[in-house]
Amino acid sequence: SQTIHQWPATLVQPVGSPLSLECTVEGTSNPNLYWYRQAAGRGLQLLFYSVGIGQISSEVPQNLSASRPQDRQFILSSKKLLLSDSGFYLCAWSEGLAYEQYFGPGTRLTVT
Amino acid sequence: SQQGEEDPQALSIQEGENATMNCSYKTSINNLQWYRQNSGRGLVHLILIRSNEREKHSGRLRVTLDTSKKSSSLLITASRAADTASYFCATDAGSNYKLTFGKGTLLTVNP
Repeated sequence: SQTIHQWPATLVQPVGSPLSLECTVEGTSNPNLYWYRQAAGRGLQLLFYSVGIGQISSEVPQNLSASRPQDRQFILSSKKLLLSDSGFYLCAWSEGLAYEQYFGPGTRLTVT
Repeated sequence: SQQGEEDPQALSIQEGENATMNCSYKTSINNLQWYRQNSGRGLVHLILIRSNEREKHSGRLRVTLDTSKKSSSLLITASRAADTASYFCATDAGSNYKLTFGKGTLLTVNP
């Protein structure tokens, strides 16, 4: 069966510090991968998606970036965090386009 | 603006009652999906209904889709305290990769 891992579960970082969140998927190959951010009491905002290694599409211009160095690894990064980057970050995967998505447990990021 | 909007924003019921949540959307879709999110956790996929389907069942869940009204409803029958969660609808808005989520309905089932 397929599983998706995210770490860390929680993170507190000062403004201006770098960020690296990692997501890995097991039990499938060539998944579509997604990074979402969820602000308190709000829906999900799609940040990045990837349909293959090295293929990243950005949905929202900001100081975040994403990379996919391996088929089942998706990394969300920032060189300098802003207060507005605080939120709940979720990674997800799907088998194909317009299929149901499967989410990881999320990372709670607080920028102080 | 959000493609899918859930209604109501919050719903509180007693265990054993039925819960109905609605979702409205703006543009044509290929499919509509419902997800559940327990507090502080990731989302869990519940059900997907395609644009050519009108109703779908999964256990205690019943989803309807009315493309003429651009709306969907999620019915949870015989609710349990464990059903307490936020419920989101998501649409693909005609795109073949991107899901747009609403803000969700917070369901509280009181024991």
